[in-house]
Amino acid sequence: RKEVEQDPGPFNVPEGATVAFNCTYSNSASQSFFWYRQDCRKEPKLLMSVYSSGNEDGRFTAQLNRASQYISLLIRDSKLSDSATYLCVVFPYNFNKFYFGSGTKLNVKP
Amino acid sequence: DAGVTQSPTHLIKTRGQQVTLRCSPKSGHDTVSWYQQALGQGPQFIFQYYEEEERQRGNFPDRFSGHQFPNYSSELNVNALLLGDSALYLCASSFDRAGYSEAFFGQGTRLTVV
Repeated sequence: RKEVEQDPGPFNVPEGATVAFNCTYSNSASQSFFWYRQDCRKEPKLLMSVYSSGNEDGRFTAQLNRASQYISLLIRDSKLSDSATYLCVVFPYNFNKFYFGSGTKLNVKP
Repeated sequence: DAGVTQSPTHLIKTRGQQVTLRCSPKSGHDTVSWYQQALGQGPQFIFQYYEEEERQRGNFPDRFSGHQFPNYSSELNVNALLLGDSALYLCASSFDRAGYSEAFFGQGTRLTVV
């Protein structure tokens, strides 16, 4: 079983839509969680960290469910510029390295 | 403040050759990790360097080796290149501390093996 699993998509949504991605992880010792955004042929860039209490940054909301071992990312009022691949990343402290999901591709259409 | 820098940005090699990729971490970071990202896949962990030693290694053959220098910069070496080594190679730097640790990525080196 993969350490981190994501639905690869693509998710095709119209501008203004709300879209949600989920990600599951297998290591219960995972301590830190992140969402990274990766544009085509570019490096991943940190979008937001995910905290146990959930956190929001503008149109983006991240949630963590430790009991079920999944994290989610909600994007409200989608913009064309949100089109990218979103990578779920977990950091199990007992392994001290980052595990990436394969990414979920989002296409926002006019 | 310079972020993570990698060189070269693009590289074309032939099968059997050897390649060296370079990475300078973000200022203040002491840990460098290397990832291989094939087209359409998420980054796969190759290895991590801390205090000039390989601390962790992913599921990659011994053809992949590395080094970290006293200034925390790092090199990734790949010997006897195969066509399947063609990928984007990403360097990520972070600061070693318990718990929370963001990673910042360089722009990557796109390696094509022909």
